[in-house]
Amino acid sequence: EAGVAQSPRYKIIEKRQSVAFWCNPISGHATLYWYQQILGQGPKLLIQFQNNGVVDDSQLPKDRFSAERLKGVDSTLKIQPAKLEDSAVYLCASSLLQGGFAFFGQGTRLTVV
Amino acid sequence: QKEVEQNSGPLSVPEGAIASLNCTYSDRGSQSFFWYRQYSGKSPELIMSIYSNGDKEDGRFTAQLNKASQYVSLLIRDSQPSDSATYLCAVNINTNAGKSTFGDGTTLTVKP
Repeated sequence: EAGVAQSPRYKIIEKRQSVAFWCNPISGHATLYWYQQILGQGPKLLIQFQNNGVVDDSQLPKDRFSAERLKGVDSTLKIQPAKLEDSAVYLCASSLLQGGFAFFGQGTRLTVV
Repeated sequence: QKEVEQNSGPLSVPEGAIASLNCTYSDRGSQSFFWYRQYSGKSPELIMSIYSNGDKEDGRFTAQLNKASQYVSLLIRDSQPSDSATYLCAVNINTNAGKSTFGDGTTLTVKP
């Protein structure tokens, strides 16, 4: 069974630039999550999709972050414009059941300079 | 008060000892509890899930849940150097979304 795929693995951008991350969940997993993990902290949920609908985006900074999951499969997360404090690892995860345990992708390490 | 709290550690145990990791949560409506292991520079991976009060054993790992005390723990028996990692506690509140809230993790070092 293929795991959660994410790209790119690493990204360095200057502040105020834009960046996009891509995620392809495990086949058949209807629930997809984007987490932000700052060094030394646990993952923080940014947005949760059930199929192509958003079920939780309460912690997504909507003035600069956006996410979509067209067709209910892969997803993109965008940051525009980036700030220094956005430097973190962005983790995509998927689960078979809503509320079930999640499988994580390898993550994208973003550095904003 | 954080929704999910863990001792930040670091926790250091000798090889072969029992490592005990603790987690408390604030929402009494929480229904599902997970322990993830995260090696340095890697992504979290599930090692245990527990849903009802009591103990659940899987190999060298035992998860313990006490909903009355809002407390969940993970015991690692016969600790190995390969167990050295950060252990994340995740708690799902019983809502339609079922989202997991993570603690900040406890870093465990097992010394040979």
